[in-house]
Amino acid sequence: DTGVSQDPRHKITKRGQNVTFRCDPISEHNRLYWYRQTLGQGPEFLTYFQNEAQLEKSRLLSDRFSAERPKGSFSTLEIQRTEQGDSAMYLCASSLGWLAGVEETQYFGPGTRLLVL
Amino acid sequence: AQTVTQSQPEMSVQEAETVTLSCTYDTSESDYYLFWYKQPPSRQMILVIRQEAYKQQNATENRFSVNFQKAAKSFSLKISDSQLGDAAMYFCAEVANFGNEKLTFGTGTRLTIIP
Repeated sequence: DTGVSQDPRHKITKRGQNVTFRCDPISEHNRLYWYRQTLGQGPEFLTYFQNEAQLEKSRLLSDRFSAERPKGSFSTLEIQRTEQGDSAMYLCASSLGWLAGVEETQYFGPGTRLLVL
Repeated sequence: AQTVTQSQPEMSVQEAETVTLSCTYDTSESDYYLFWYKQPPSRQMILVIRQEAYKQQNATENRFSVNFQKAAKSFSLKISDSQLGDAAMYFCAEVANFGNEKLTFGTGTRLTIIP
């Protein structure tokens, strides 16, 4: 039984470049979430998917951010034209979802730490 | 909108002693879940314990227990027999059931274990 995995674990990029992160949820989980965590803060919600449908996006998710979950399995988060303010830990989580008749416990991956120079 | 407040940025405890981490929350939802997550340095977020708001009984997981006071909107975490491996950032979080599904986190409490 594998947990949530994320790739890469670390990414250093120059301002203006595009970056893409991948998240593989726990295999039977229907819901997938993206959060952003800056230093000294708790994670902040970005967006979430129920299977392949993106159901909610935070105001934090500017037009430069896009997330996909094309087949309802893994997800990608892309940031275009990165800015220094995008430097943060990007966390992915997954859950079974209440439709499965169980509670909304979210299980987190190790995160991708992004540094924009 | 939901808010979660952790008023203790840092706490320390002697190994084998007991420590309590505080959390208060504000939600307009009648049905919700509360969680404590642990985030060790450079390691991933791990679920410590969860509490359903409709349950009056406080949740317990081995050395970890909560004191859930629904009327006061308080949800504290008690760690008994503290161990060196308990050193981490602890985050309190809330999610509305059948709501918008996102976790709202507090700012965290950094727990140091003194050998």
